[in-house]
Amino acid sequence: EVQLVETGGGLVQPGNSLKLSCATSGFTFSTAWMNWIRQTPGKRLEWLAQIEDKSNNYFISYLESVKGRFTISRDDSKSSVYLQMNNLKEEDTAIYYCTAQVAYWGQGTLVTVSS
Amino acid sequence: DIVMTQSPSSLAVSAGETVTINCKSSQSLLYSGNQKNYLAWYQQKPGQSPKLLIYWASTRQSGVPDRFIGSGSGTDFTLTISSVQAEDLAIYYCQQYYDTPYTFGAGTKLELK
Repeated sequence: EVQLVETGGGLVQPGNSLKLSCATSGFTFSTAWMNWIRQTPGKRLEWLAQIEDKSNNYFISYLESVKGRFTISRDDSKSSVYLQMNNLKEEDTAIYYCTAQVAYWGQGTLVTVSS
Repeated sequence: DIVMTQSPSSLAVSAGETVTINCKSSQSLLYSGNQKNYLAWYQQKPGQSPKLLIYWASTRQSGVPDRFIGSGSGTDFTLTISSVQAEDLAIYYCQQYYDTPYTFGAGTKLELK
């Protein structure tokens, strides 16, 4: 059974940092292109970042508006992907999902940025 | 960025009806190298994460009922749900994965009349 489990969400003040983790199982993680996608309170879905696999030199892409603040990384030995988020803003409040390509999604972790 | 325009934003249907949801992209999602359209459809029920229904515009994900049909090519795509059932009430999203940033339609909320 495919599983993706995000952790690390919570309430954080503007300007602070948070690191999300996504532990996976049930599929070949090492060849999967992994993504982070968020869903705003208004239900809008927004792709944030992608990290490709080793054969593609772990190429990384970001949404322009988070470039420089968010960093995606992966650890193939742990079948896990991460999202480091710095200088958080209130508009970053959302449910954050990790996904394996288009097929598999986690249950999401809620990030609330508020003073 | 590729803009995905989805319509309608909401749809009220009766059980057994056939519904059509449209998705239009601002540029072609058809890659000439493999003749595939990089378009996916998702279903999201309350309190759940989105679930993949259709990829490559028309390929049904394993386990998805055959009443869900994806069609279209280039810039115009359609999700058809034949004989809607109560369990189909959800929000449906289209997504292009042709090029980053991958982008989503705003969603179509399917409700019961």
